[in-house]
Amino acid sequence: ETTLTQSPAFMSATPGDKVNISCKASQDIDDDMNWYQQKPGEAAISIIQGATTLVPGIPPRFSGSGYGTDFTLTINNIESEDAAYYFCLQHDTFPYSFGQGTKVEIK
Amino acid sequence: QVQLQESGPGLVKPSETLSLTCTVSGGSISSYYWSWIRQPPGKGLEYIGYISYSGSTNYNPSLERRLTISIDTSKNQFSLKLRSVTAADTAVYYCASGVVPDHWGQGTLVSVSS
Repeated sequence: ETTLTQSPAFMSATPGDKVNISCKASQDIDDDMNWYQQKPGEAAISIIQGATTLVPGIPPRFSGSGYGTDFTLTINNIESEDAAYYFCLQHDTFPYSFGQGTKVEIK
Repeated sequence: QVQLQESGPGLVKPSETLSLTCTVSGGSISSYYWSWIRQPPGKGLEYIGYISYSGSTNYNPSLERRLTISIDTSKNQFSLKLRSVTAADTAVYYCASGVVPDHWGQGTLVSVSS
């Protein structure tokens, strides 16, 4: 089973900051990594697929990078509406597994 | 846009069966795959399993012996049954579209307690 180690668990950012969230896989998962955003009381939404592909409709300030075992979600010029819980998912090996999640607070 | 809504009892007694239904709207359940995910309080998400429109399934081995996922295309619904539950099964349960979750429901909290 593939374990994902996501960090940090919590971060506080100021509008305009660049934010990086890391997800490290315990084994090579190629580019089989997705990122999601979830706001309180709302359904999660997919923001990055295949490690680097921005889901249509997601603002371009979001980007994903990485391959193999190390992946990063980057939010450039973060906005107040980006306050949310972010988590990664590997879909290379079944059972699929998730990172522990990152809560992003906007000051 | 596909929307999903979980429904079912919010409280289940230990050793009993947890049953949840996911109702799909805005699209047909008959042409895709559907999945369940859960998140215990204060912990990370766990992938439970998925079902195809034709009824084929793939379950997380950690839950397989207690789990059944089924689909009812006439009602545009799919369901989860988890038998012999314990407090460790207390979680927010989510349904989603796709083997790799795409659209998600908002989730429903199920507590296991006597």
